[in-house]
Amino acid sequence: NAGVTQTPKFQVLKTGQSMTLQCAQDMNHEYMSWYRQDPGMGLRLIHYSVGAGITDQGEVPNGYNVSRSTTEDFPLRLLSAAPSQTSVYFCASSSTLSGGLGNEQFFGPGTRLTVL
Amino acid sequence: GESVGLHLPTLSVQEGDNSIINCAYSNSASDYFIWYKQESGKGPQFIIDIRSNMDKRQGQRVTVLLNKTVKHLSLQIAATQPGDSAVYFCAERGPVGQNFVFGPGTRLSVLP
Repeated sequence: NAGVTQTPKFQVLKTGQSMTLQCAQDMNHEYMSWYRQDPGMGLRLIHYSVGAGITDQGEVPNGYNVSRSTTEDFPLRLLSAAPSQTSVYFCASSSTLSGGLGNEQFFGPGTRLTVL
Repeated sequence: GESVGLHLPTLSVQEGDNSIINCAYSNSASDYFIWYKQESGKGPQFIIDIRSNMDKRQGQRVTVLLNKTVKHLSLQIAATQPGDSAVYFCAERGPVGQNFVFGPGTRLSVLP
């Protein structure tokens, strides 16, 4: 299994540009989520999905859209990039939302985004 | 978790010593906690978890302690090795159905 994969690894955008960060998992996990990680701060939840066709907002959803047309894929779209969206983005998946002992979230390697 | 601004707290330990990393969590109703390890340039990696009905759980070279009275979580690493150098952070989850809240992390530096 490849686990959770993310593309691209690095991206530089100009203010106002749009792009999609890709995330895929091959573990048949129901739950997938997107986080951003900024220096000195904990991971903050952007959007999450509890299954195909179901998405919901996290703590910091503004400026981002998601969709979940398949169990495997959960892309994150930046509609009009802003410098405040410069961050490292992580996608994660787990078998359920509730979690439990041994029911961990698996994280992808991250996408490092810079918005000029 | 606490806010520490732009700079993570750092813990430096000698190789072979034990390490203790602490985390203060925010929600007294949180029922599940996880410790993650994040190496430079990589995604977070699960280390160990614990439920709120437990006060201690042990893994291979790691132990997590939970003190619900003061909302404190600690990670103990026995016989710290150079490969343990990373940022460690805790995550708490509220009652079932809620998402996780992550602490900012502590950087562990293992000295030769």
